[in-house]
Amino acid sequence: GAVVSQHPSRVICKSGTSVKIECRSLDFQATTMFWYRQFPKQSLMLMATSNEGSKATYEQGVEKDKFLINHASLTLSTLTVTSAHPEDSSFYICSARDLRAAMYFGPGTRLTVL
Amino acid sequence: KNEVEQSPQNLTAQEGEFITINCSYSVGISALHWLQQHPGGGIVSLFMLSSGKKKHGRLIATINIQEKHSSLHITASHPRDSAVYICAAYSGGGADGLTFGKGTHLIIQP
Repeated sequence: GAVVSQHPSRVICKSGTSVKIECRSLDFQATTMFWYRQFPKQSLMLMATSNEGSKATYEQGVEKDKFLINHASLTLSTLTVTSAHPEDSSFYICSARDLRAAMYFGPGTRLTVL
Repeated sequence: KNEVEQSPQNLTAQEGEFITINCSYSVGISALHWLQQHPGGGIVSLFMLSSGKKKHGRLIATINIQEKHSSLHITASHPRDSAVYICAAYSGGGADGLTFGKGTHLIIQP
């Protein structure tokens, strides 16, 4: 079946550094990918929609300069957390929609900012 | 706006028990996802279904479109099934079209 991978699965960084998270659709083309954030004991919250070849669409309250999204190909979207701070520590999850509109979720990336 | 309710919120059971987790939604949907999130956070997509029933190993998911209800069943439960189970309803509204339930925290005791 369709698989979505994320890399890295865990990352620990110092405050002020930037962190890049990759989301790949392994055996299908994804024109649209989505990035979510999940705080402890909370549900997934949509951050942004990543469209191949165009600018990402951000949900209200999400800083686009803080969370840079690039969707350079039909199988790869990246989320870069710029100048990360401890409050950015969270679980980041991507999902990818295939051409039939079926949605597949990545395993998530645990970001810890010290 | 779709509202997705899961029950129970927390469930503790003994190994071997048959487990049922419920998900109900308020607006008609075209698909429903069941996700499993392990204690370390990793998410696994279990099922995506739009009608009827799907089975994978000891897991069974059913959906009743008319009643706006889906269930996830686990047969012969095992401690490794301990996780948070999340349903997400796809109704097309919003950017991703998904509304997530708050999750059911399942603990299977040996």
